[in-house]
Amino acid sequence: GESVGLHLPTLSVQEGDNSIINCAYSNSASDYFIWYKQESGKGPQFIIDIRSNMDKRQGQRVTVLLNKTVKHLSLQIAATQPGDSAVYFCAEIYGGTSYGKLTFGQGTILTVHP
Amino acid sequence: DGGITQSPKYLFRKEGQNVTLSCEQNLNHDAMYWYRQDPGQGLRLIYYSQIVNDFQKGDIAEGYSVSREKKESFPLTVTSAQKNPTAFYLCASGARRGSYEQYFGPGTRLTVT
Repeated sequence: GESVGLHLPTLSVQEGDNSIINCAYSNSASDYFIWYKQESGKGPQFIIDIRSNMDKRQGQRVTVLLNKTVKHLSLQIAATQPGDSAVYFCAEIYGGTSYGKLTFGQGTILTVHP
Repeated sequence: DGGITQSPKYLFRKEGQNVTLSCEQNLNHDAMYWYRQDPGQGLRLIYYSQIVNDFQKGDIAEGYSVSREKKESFPLTVTSAQKNPTAFYLCASGARRGSYEQYFGPGTRLTVT
């Protein structure tokens, strides 16, 4: 899972396994959360989002779970593929403005072995 | 072909020089953002703009300046006052009111020696 420290958490899985990436967010008033995927040397790409009034949302091969009680977010990737290898960031937004400021977590490095 | 472009991809400068990073978007987004990313770190917000001719400081604005004269463009100047300018700089734009997703450009890697 993500941490505030300088060394990114890492997760290594075999191709075909399911992956779970965790994130602890900081603001209990945050009302929107996004998972981004960042490949080396590129900008982050949107994966999936979830609003605080939901506890689960599913996309293609990905599921995001939100536990507001413990301020925890997770990203589940089914049947992980080598192309999923990247750094994954969670981001939270506290609303109140039309264009929320994203606060990013430190990221988790996912490595998928063929 | 819609998206966000940043140029150049790699930029080298000598210490003491100001340098301007380009960011252009044709997504018709009102909001634009600049982030800095250091190795092994998440993204930190430098400046953001919700509308033309208006912008606000983010969490680490010292040593940086921006302008927003056109909706499509949000250039970032890294001044000589920025103590540690070497980093990966990412520009993003935000969708319409009520949608918080941000779309990122490919980034500019700035190296100052």
